[in-house]
This record gives sequence, structure tokens and C-alpha cells, in this order.
Amino acid sequence: GEDVEQSLFLSVREGDSSVINCTYTDSSSTYLYWYKQEPGAGLQLLTYIFSNMDMKQDQRLTVLLNKKDKHLSLRIADTQTGDSAIYFCAETPDSGNTPLVFGKGTRLSVIA
Amino acid sequence: DTGVSQNPRHKITKRGQNVTFRCDPISEHNRLYWYRQTLGQGPEFLTYFQNEAQLEKSRLLSDRFSAERPKGSFSTLEIQRTEQGDSAMYLCASSSDSDRAETQYFGPGTRLLVL
Repeated sequence: GEDVEQSLFLSVREGDSSVINCTYTDSSSTYLYWYKQEPGAGLQLLTYIFSNMDMKQDQRLTVLLNKKDKHLSLRIADTQTGDSAIYFCAETPDSGNTPLVFGKGTRLSVIA
Repeated sequence: DTGVSQNPRHKITKRGQNVTFRCDPISEHNRLYWYRQTLGQGPEFLTYFQNEAQLEKSRLLSDRFSAERPKGSFSTLEIQRTEQGDSAMYLCASSSDSDRAETQYFGPGTRLLVL
């Protein structure tokens, strides 16, 4: 079955870069997503990457995909206190018509 | 532009009672998903609809759970004879099959506490 693994905690200083890592098991994943969840709130889509890409940049966010190793990372440049949240990696095991499979989330703490 | 909305935002109930949650998806989205999230975990899939058809149900969805999307717009999730283990955040998401990435957009969730 599908499985998505993430480290549970990350702490960085304000202004530094944060790198959140994720590994997945389903090699047929078509899209991989990053969501952000603030306390008591729903999930906010940050970005996604198509499986035939190895990098995607969107303002302060850079997503790197190593399909051979099934490894995905999210880099946040110039991390701010407002970036403190839980970040979830998710995959779609198949293209279309399938629910997302999420990791347990990485709690990012930004120290001022 | 309204996103996905869910009601109520919070629900406290006693064990054994029935509860019903509502989700209103983004208006042009034909797919609607229900997930459950417990403390310290990522969301877990429960069920999903394409238009009014319920296409898939997770093994997590016991017989006490039922979901409907009668007109292909809003959806309801009902839990009968609630148990303390049902306490969780229930998340709804919607997507469009005309979106190549089929990105799912989430609502704010309904937090259920069963006493």
C-alpha cells in the first residue's frame, strides 16, 4: 500500500532556510503536494509538482523531487514566524479519481 | 471567490448520539472528498463523490458512517451512535476534473468531540 513518511519536527531561526523532507512508496504517483496547516484550521495548498519534473520554484518555496529515491523536499527561503505550522506531504497514487495519501506532518517552529 | 465551507465548525455530543456535518464545495468542482484527522496524524481518506455518485469508501468508514451528495453540490456526513473514538477533525475537500493537477482544496473542518 501507499505510505508517506516525514520527520515530525523542525526548528529554524527566523531568516534561515527551512527544508522539510518526505519519502513516499508509490512509484506510480503522478502528483505530489505540499499543504500547510495552522492550529485549528484546515489545510492550505502551498504547491504541487508533477512527477516528470525534478524542481519547481514558487516565490520563497522550492520543491525538489528525486523520483528514483522517491524523495520530495520543500525548501522555504527566509523563513518567517508566520511560517510556523504543520506541513504535510501528500501523493495521489494514481492520476485522477483518487484520494490523497498524507504523511503525518512536520511541525515547523520558527524562532525569532 | 468562496472556498470550501463546512458547518458546524465545532460539535460536542454525548456518546450514542447521531451527528451530521455539511460541506459546501467550491461551486464549479465536481469532486468532493471527506477525510478524518486525529491528533498528531495526517488526514485519512473516508469517502469521495464525483457529482452525486459515491465512488469510493475507505475501510475506515464503518457502517455507522454515511455520506450523501444528493444533487452533486453540497454533501453531508452522518455518524450514528457516536463513540469516543469518533472524536476527530472531519475535513472536506473539493476538486475539478478539468484541473490537470486535480488539486484538492480543503475546508476549515468540523471538530467533533464525543463525551
